[in-house]
Amino acid sequence: GNSVTQMEGPVTLSEEAFLTINCTYTATGYPSLFWYVQYPGEGLQLLLKATKADDKGSNKGFEATYRKETTSFHLEKGSVQVSDSAVYFCALSDPFSGGYNKLIFGAGTRLAVHP
Amino acid sequence: DGGITQSPKYLFRKEGQNVTLSCEQNLNHDAMYWYRQDPGQGLRLIYYSQIVNDFQKGDIAEGYSVSREKKESFPLTVTSAQKNPTAFYLCASSIAGLHSNVEAFFGQGTRLTVV
Repeated sequence: GNSVTQMEGPVTLSEEAFLTINCTYTATGYPSLFWYVQYPGEGLQLLLKATKADDKGSNKGFEATYRKETTSFHLEKGSVQVSDSAVYFCALSDPFSGGYNKLIFGAGTRLAVHP
Repeated sequence: DGGITQSPKYLFRKEGQNVTLSCEQNLNHDAMYWYRQDPGQGLRLIYYSQIVNDFQKGDIAEGYSVSREKKESFPLTVTSAQKNPTAFYLCASSIAGLHSNVEAFFGQGTRLTVV
């Protein structure tokens, strides 16, 4: 079945450091891939997405490239800020698995950025 | 502004009681979803609905029930049969159909605690 695996957190960085959060997936079809962000006490917000191999999603300085050969979708940011502190979820959507647009989430990675 | 509204934000329930969590959206989305989030885990799908008057069980439907009488509303009832109901509950919506790049919009969540 489909699944998503993320690196365990928490990830603790100093402001302006480089961020990588690893995400790998298993899918039987041709999924779309997403990164969602959750700030404390809130729901999830879409950060970026990619719908086919080699697509790069980007938003707010974050980016991730859909790598079919390594089944990965790692999240990167060149210089993090304190305001980036949140939990980040990698997810996939495979509408041809089960006949509906089901999102499958990883366990989430908590990022803490210190001044 | 369009969006998804969940209420209440915090809910306390005595053991043996049923409680209903509200979810309303004005995005004109056909599809709605309920997820459960536990600490250190990803989101798990409880129920989903692709259209009014129709809904399907997700991965962890036992002890929960839903209804979809209106397009805008998808309430979730946590019954006394749910053995461990304390969790953060998230409602989401999206356009329906077999679209692989569909974004899901999330509410702010309801934190349910059994006392």
